[in-house]
Amino acid sequence: GEDVEQSLFLSVREGDSSVINCTYTDSSSTYLYWYKQEPGAGLQLLTYIFSNMDMKQDQRLTVLLNKKDKHLSLRIADTQTGDSAIYFCADRPTGTASKLTFGTGTRLQVTL
Amino acid sequence: DVKVTQSSRYLVKRTGEKVFLECVQDMDHENMFWYRQDPGLGLRLIYFSYDVKMKEKGDIPEGYSVSREKKERFSLILESASTNQTSMYLCASSLSAGHGYTFGSGTRLTVV
Repeated sequence: GEDVEQSLFLSVREGDSSVINCTYTDSSSTYLYWYKQEPGAGLQLLTYIFSNMDMKQDQRLTVLLNKKDKHLSLRIADTQTGDSAIYFCADRPTGTASKLTFGTGTRLQVTL
Repeated sequence: DVKVTQSSRYLVKRTGEKVFLECVQDMDHENMFWYRQDPGLGLRLIYFSYDVKMKEKGDIPEGYSVSREKKERFSLILESASTNQTSMYLCASSLSAGHGYTFGSGTRLTVV
């Protein structure tokens, strides 16, 4: 079945850029998503990218998609302590209707 | 503001008890999902539903059942709770294919 992988942990200094990476196996994925989970809360949709796009920018967030390598990344510019959270990537493979497959999540720690 | 509401934030139950986790959405979404979240394993799909009275097994349905009698409500049932079902349970809903999910805040269930 479909597999989505992320590294488990990333630590950055406040003010630096963070880059969270994700790889997926299904080349027919049509949408790819990034979610943020703050401590004790559910997941919040941050942004998404359609598979015919290479890049999407939304304020401090930049999503890059490399379809050939099946690689997705989320860049957070000027990282703040409020960005500390777990970040999940997810994809929607073709033929699965609304069902998403989530990665294991990357815990971002922002240090002063 | 659209919402997915899970009835309990924290729940402690005894081994062998029947447990009901309730989820209600006010967005008229067709699709609803139950996930469990465990450290290092990410989100794993238990059951989902595309319509009233319809249900489909996810990746880890064993030990669980679901009920969707009304469009807005999707219940997860642990027939006989066991300690390995101690976890964070997340409910989500979505409008249709291509739309991301809206998540509830989660229920942290401890089975003792």
